[in-house]
Amino acid sequence: KAGVTQTPRYLIKTRGQQVTLSCSPISGHRSVSWYQQTPGQGLQFLFEYFSETQRNKGNFPGRFSGRQFSNSRSEMNVSTLELGDSALYLCASSPGATDTQYFGPGTRLTVL
Amino acid sequence: EDQVTQSPEALRLQEGESSSLNCSYTVSGLRGLFWYRQDPGKGPEFLFTLYSAGEEKEKERLKATLTKKESFLHITAPKPEDSATYLCAVRSNFGNEKLTFGTGTRLTIIP
Repeated sequence: KAGVTQTPRYLIKTRGQQVTLSCSPISGHRSVSWYQQTPGQGLQFLFEYFSETQRNKGNFPGRFSGRQFSNSRSEMNVSTLELGDSALYLCASSPGATDTQYFGPGTRLTVL
Repeated sequence: EDQVTQSPEALRLQEGESSSLNCSYTVSGLRGLFWYRQDPGKGPEFLFTLYSAGEEKEKERLKATLTKKESFLHITAPKPEDSATYLCAVRSNFGNEKLTFGTGTRLTIIP
């Protein structure tokens, strides 16, 4: 079974721009979660979607948003990028909302 | 609020030298405790899920155990390929049930 895929793998943007990251979960998984990982803060929870509905949201500003489609694929968007948004963005999928999560390889975002 | 503390932050071992990593947690009703391994620049790789105190799980040179307040990841006779950051996370039965991660233990196995 194919794992979680994330595109693009690497991205370079400048301050003020916006970015959209994509995540395709493991086939049959209905829950997708997003995390931001930085050296100083570790893994920080962004949001979780289950069956196209946002189930949970972390403590991030409104510039961070996401959505899930009917095929369980998910996208997250960051508007008005800041230097501090540079991080590894990880997507994880699970069969149900509270099951074990399986992570993708991540998207490395660099904001200049 | 759920909290996870991992120790030590970093650990260097000689090849074959067994040791344990600690994960202390505070949660309002534990739904599950999860261990992951992460290599530099990659996504975390799932290792174990533990649900109740007294539970143990093994995989190759790794063994995870769980008490009511902490979990241990025991590494027996490690090899250089076991070098990675090991992450612990908990999910609560209450509140928004999100996963809360510790900051990890960076393990280095010296040949």
